[in-house]
Amino acid sequence: SQTIHQWPATLVQPVGSPLSLECTVEGTSNPNLYWYRQAAGRGLQLLFYSVGIGQISSEVPQNLSASRPQDRQFILSSKKLLLSDSGFYLCAWSSQRFTEAFFGQGTRLTVV
Amino acid sequence: GIQVEQSPPDLILQEGANSTLRCNFSDSVNNLQWFHQNPWGQLINLFYIPSGTKQNGRLSATTVATERYSLLYISSSQTTDSGVYFCAVMVNTDKLIFGTGTRLQVFP
Repeated sequence: SQTIHQWPATLVQPVGSPLSLECTVEGTSNPNLYWYRQAAGRGLQLLFYSVGIGQISSEVPQNLSASRPQDRQFILSSKKLLLSDSGFYLCAWSSQRFTEAFFGQGTRLTVV
Repeated sequence: GIQVEQSPPDLILQEGANSTLRCNFSDSVNNLQWFHQNPWGQLINLFYIPSGTKQNGRLSATTVATERYSLLYISSSQTTDSGVYFCAVMVNTDKLIFGTGTRLQVFP
């Protein structure tokens, strides 16, 4: 069966520090991969999605970037965190176009 | 881009009551899902329902794609049903777009 792993679960980082969040999927190949952010008490905002290795689509101009170095690995990064980067970050995958998406457990990031 | 609106934004129920949550979308969709976000933030898949009706225990969902809406029914609500309910849609791209959410609180 397929599983998605996302870590760390919580993270507290100072302003100006770098960020790297990792997401991996097991049990499937060539998945669509997604990064979302949820601010406190708000909805889910799509940040990046990828349909294949090295293929990244960015939805919102911001202080973040994403990479997909391997088929089932999706990384969210920042060179210098801002206070406004705080939030709950969720990774998701789907097996192919227009099929059901499944989410990881999320990373709660607090920038101080 | 597509707009996805959910109603009501907030819902307060007593245990045992029934409720209907609505999701309206502004364009034809290829995929529609309902999720429950629990108090720990985890997104639980409820239904994958681009069209038609499905049932799973006390929950059921109906999507009328031609009229661009979906309904989630919760019967005999329990305190564990509390949380935020999201619908999410996918149009002719690989983007999964979330609705505004309905926050449900069920009291004993």
